[in-house]
Amino acid sequence: AQSVAQPEDQVNVAEGNPLTVKCTYSVSGNPYLFWYVQYPNRGLQFLLKYITGDNLVKGSYGFEAEFNKSQTSFHLKKPSALVSDSALYFCAVRDGQGGSYIPTFGRGTSLIVHP
Amino acid sequence: NAGVTQTPKFQVLKTGQSMTLQCAQDMNHNSMYWYRQDPGMGLRLIYYSASEGTTDKGEVPNGYNVSRLNKREFSLRLESAAPSQTSVYFCASSETASGIYEQFFGPGTRLTVL
Repeated sequence: AQSVAQPEDQVNVAEGNPLTVKCTYSVSGNPYLFWYVQYPNRGLQFLLKYITGDNLVKGSYGFEAEFNKSQTSFHLKKPSALVSDSALYFCAVRDGQGGSYIPTFGRGTSLIVHP
Repeated sequence: NAGVTQTPKFQVLKTGQSMTLQCAQDMNHNSMYWYRQDPGMGLRLIYYSASEGTTDKGEVPNGYNVSRLNKREFSLRLESAAPSQTSVYFCASSETASGIYEQFFGPGTRLTVL
């Protein structure tokens, strides 16, 4: 079985400050981890993924995420937030070692960046 | 390259009416998916299709049927709509064989059942 938790329904940050959106996961085999962003009235857009290799993954729009195997976490980060980063963020996981290729999504975290 | 397209964008139905949501992708992906998104619930998988000619139930299949018409198209049908099916529906596709793994989503269909 696989699962993912996004412990914060909402994250508030001031423009220019660093931001972190948290994600923890549970999976039997090797985790394949993903972050997606959803702007209002739009579909989800892929931001970045961890499959293997370097624990720090860089993605679109200046976002990055750090894979931490011991803490089973994959937190999304950005050094300096923009108002335009305000959106809904989803973490997803799938088991990369056999099993289903269907990912499990978290419930989403609403990021609000204040001017 | 349009990616994943969905029609219609908006729909209002009365209880008991039927409708089909259309989805098409032009990325030659093998796998396609239908999700529904409700406030506070995240994304829930309704049905998916690993490849042309195959379909499987997801987490919340009751009240829905699907057809994988060909490699490009994957439709979702509501035979007798209920107010509980008021939601935003997203179609997605992915290529599981080439090491890409991530999903590509359509813009969504906003369905209201009265």
